[in-house]
Amino acid sequence: EVLLVESGGVVIQPGGSLRLSCAASGFTLPDYSMHWVRQGPVKGLEWISLMSRDGDMIFYADSVRGRFTISRDNSKNSLYLQMNSLRVEDTALYYCAKGGEGVSGVIDRWGQGTLVTVSS
Amino acid sequence: QSVVSQPPSASGTPGQRVTISCSGTSSNIGSNYVNWYKLLPGTAPKLVIHSDYQRPSGVPDRFSGSRSGTSASLAISGLQSEDEGDYYCAVWDDSLTGPWVFGGGTKLTVL
Repeated sequence: EVLLVESGGVVIQPGGSLRLSCAASGFTLPDYSMHWVRQGPVKGLEWISLMSRDGDMIFYADSVRGRFTISRDNSKNSLYLQMNSLRVEDTALYYCAKGGEGVSGVIDRWGQGTLVTVSS
Repeated sequence: QSVVSQPPSASGTPGQRVTISCSGTSSNIGSNYVNWYKLLPGTAPKLVIHSDYQRPSGVPDRFSGSRSGTSASLAISGLQSEDEGDYYCAVWDDSLTGPWVFGGGTKLTVL
């Protein structure tokens, strides 16, 4: 069974840094593209980052480019999101999601999310 | 403001058929598959339709999808109370540097 479990969400002050983790099981992480998607309070889903299965293609939404970095550790079958220069508007539930073999393949499995609150 | 738009709300009574639309442009819906997700608070988002009209295993055949031009639709027939939730369309966009886009979401209420 495919399972994605996010962790690392906390309450943090603006300007701070944070790393989110996503532990995957039931499949091999480098066989698929992987995504981070967030949902702010009273907001919809916002796609924020994607890493291809080979790791040679990485994409970011304009809202986080230059501040967030996606990475993975194949030996731990885990995905990460390094978040720097956090802003109040980054407050959201952050989901890790499994994509297809290609970067445009369907996002078909999601974790339950980890909550990041940016507040002074 | 998403480049892909959905109506903010939809509703129906049990047994009815409801349709949720997703409107985009030639660089997203006009040239790529559309996927649909259901969100409920406290649970992982669930894929209900992929590749325009394909149903994942376990999704009832009451759910169907279609795409024409720069628009796509999710239809739910024989509406049930358990269908209540927030529904989002998602699509790859050829013109964006951040290439995946989600619609703004539609809150479905079963009256």
